[in-house]
Amino acid sequence: EIVLTQSPDFQSVTPKQKVTITCRASQSIGSMLHWYQQKSDQSPKVLIKFASQSVSGVPSRFRGSGSGTDFTLTINSLEAEDAAAYYCHQSSNSTWTFGQGTKVEIK
Amino acid sequence: EVQLVESGGGLVQPGRSLRLSCAASGFTFDDYAMNWVRLAPGKGLEWVSGISWNSDHRDYADSVKGRFTISRDNAKNSLYLQMNSLRTDDTAFYYCAMVGRGEVSWGQGTLVTVSS
Repeated sequence: EIVLTQSPDFQSVTPKQKVTITCRASQSIGSMLHWYQQKSDQSPKVLIKFASQSVSGVPSRFRGSGSGTDFTLTINSLEAEDAAAYYCHQSSNSTWTFGQGTKVEIK
Repeated sequence: EVQLVESGGGLVQPGRSLRLSCAASGFTFDDYAMNWVRLAPGKGLEWVSGISWNSDHRDYADSVKGRFTISRDNAKNSLYLQMNSLRTDDTAFYYCAMVGRGEVSWGQGTLVTVSS
């Protein structure tokens, strides 16, 4: 099983600050890494697909980077509506796995 | 546009069964593997099961192995999850999802509540 480890588990941030969330895979997964935002009572929303590809309708302040085992989600100039849990997800083989999640709180 | 619509969730007693369905549209369904993922209250996302395009290969999370069965009907563009011997810790929103050529799509989910 490919283990994904996210860091940090929790982050409290003021609006307009930059947020960086990392995701490390236990083995190389190429670019088969996706990022999601999940708010209470809503289904997970795809923010970034295949490590760095943007998704239609997602604000440009969300950026993804990385390949192999180390990946980063960056939120530039955080807005109040970005308070949520964020997950990374690997689909490099037939048994998917997810990171444990990062909760972002707005100060 | 890819659309995935789940149905079949509801309230069920422990030990009973439930069958979830996912209706797919907007893409060539039989070209892609399909998966079920769940989100339990206060927990993180958990992959549940996946099935290859032709049903030859099926995988399950350890937490559901032997109790859940994934299947698909390519003629009906539909994915299923038969859930037997349900436990209270199976309570969650269940989502069908696919990752394809340049595409990552999830449905809106269906809620399964296991309680006496």
